[in-house]
Amino acid sequence: DAGVTQSPTHLIKTRGQHVTLRCSPISGHKSVSWYQQVLGQGPQFIFQYYEKEERGRGNFPDRFSARQFPNYSSELNVNALLLGDSALYLCASSVAWGIAEKLFFGSGTQLSVL
Amino acid sequence: AQSVSQHNHHVILSEAASLELGCNYSYGGTVNLFWYVQYPGQHLQLLLKYFSGDPLVKGIKGFEAEFIKSKFSFNLRKPSVQWSDTAEYFCAVSGNTPLVFGKGTRLSVIA
Repeated sequence: DAGVTQSPTHLIKTRGQHVTLRCSPISGHKSVSWYQQVLGQGPQFIFQYYEKEERGRGNFPDRFSARQFPNYSSELNVNALLLGDSALYLCASSVAWGIAEKLFFGSGTQLSVL
Repeated sequence: AQSVSQHNHHVILSEAASLELGCNYSYGGTVNLFWYVQYPGQHLQLLLKYFSGDPLVKGIKGFEAEFIKSKFSFNLRKPSVQWSDTAEYFCAVSGNTPLVFGKGTRLSVIA
């Protein structure tokens, strides 16, 4: 079975641009979460979606948005990119929504903002 | 708000040495505790988790962790490390919110 897949794997943008990151969960998983991992830090929670509805949001500015599609795949959008947005963006899927759910992580999208 | 502290940024051990990585969390309510591992070039994967019951939890690859509620700790242990255990280890906690991760501990095992 395929794991969580993310695209693209690497991305280079310049300040002020917009970026869209994509995630396909494991088949049968209905929840997708997004995390940002800055170099030298642990992953930081951005969003969680379940059944196409936002179920949780971390402490990120409104420039960050996401959505989940009927097939449970998800997009993370970041507007007006800043240098500080450079990070590894991780997507994780789980069967259902809940704090005790086991998360399965993708390999991430490495975003570099110049 | 929940927070997680991992005491060691980088640990270097020889093969067959014993390992203990510290993890402390701050949250007053019921918590779920996790250790995740990230091998070089690979994605994060779950090592073990604690939800309730026996505070000594056994995970994959010979790892175990002990939940000590009075100390708000969930330290990771392995009696004898191997070169293949070289990786980044993350402690994480979920109380009333999604997972909060610590900053991670990089483990380097040398022959």
